[in-house]
Amino acid sequence: SQKIEQNSEALNIQEGKTATLTCNYTNYSPAYLQWYRQDPGRGPVFLLLIRENEKEKRKERLKVTFDTTLKQSLFHITASQPADSATYLCASMDSSYKLIFGSGTRLLVRP
Amino acid sequence: SQTIHQWPATLVQPVGSPLSLECTVEGTSNPNLYWYRQAAGRGLQLLFYSVGIGQISSEVPQNLSASRPQDRQFILSSKKLLLSDSGFYLCAWSVKGNSPLHFGNGTRLTVT
Repeated sequence: SQKIEQNSEALNIQEGKTATLTCNYTNYSPAYLQWYRQDPGRGPVFLLLIRENEKEKRKERLKVTFDTTLKQSLFHITASQPADSATYLCASMDSSYKLIFGSGTRLLVRP
Repeated sequence: SQTIHQWPATLVQPVGSPLSLECTVEGTSNPNLYWYRQAAGRGLQLLFYSVGIGQISSEVPQNLSASRPQDRQFILSSKKLLLSDSGFYLCAWSVKGNSPLHFGNGTRLTVT
């Protein structure tokens, strides 16, 4: 079955730097990947969707890439701010067309 | 605009007691509805999903059940809670097809 793997260790960076989070998937290449942000005690909020035929997608300070050869998606936040501190989740559709999530990577942006 | 309501926000229940969590969606028709559970520091585990009234798919064998009595209402239930049912329960909706999920703010359930 499809698995979504994200680095369980928190990413700690200085304000103003670029944060890069990694999402790896196993087995088949999904038609698309989604990225969500989750704050403590809240439900995830959708950020970006990237399709397999799209190499890169941008939204303001966010950028997502999709490399089907490496079976990997990278999520970048440029000019990071303390308000960007949260857990970021990667999600993909499995073979039964249900959305499955990685365990998320916690981002801490120091002022 | 569409909104999703989930309640209660927190719940403490003794082992063996029943459970009923409710989720309603406004501003859309015939959505896909989902129940996820998130253990502390873990990812989201899909419990149930529904593509229409009365249509429920269960993802994992467990002590829980789900029902969809109305188009925009999704209920998660248990007849007898177990300690292992503790967790953060999230309801979500989406339009049909490959579209993003929109989550409620979750219910923190503690079974004592």
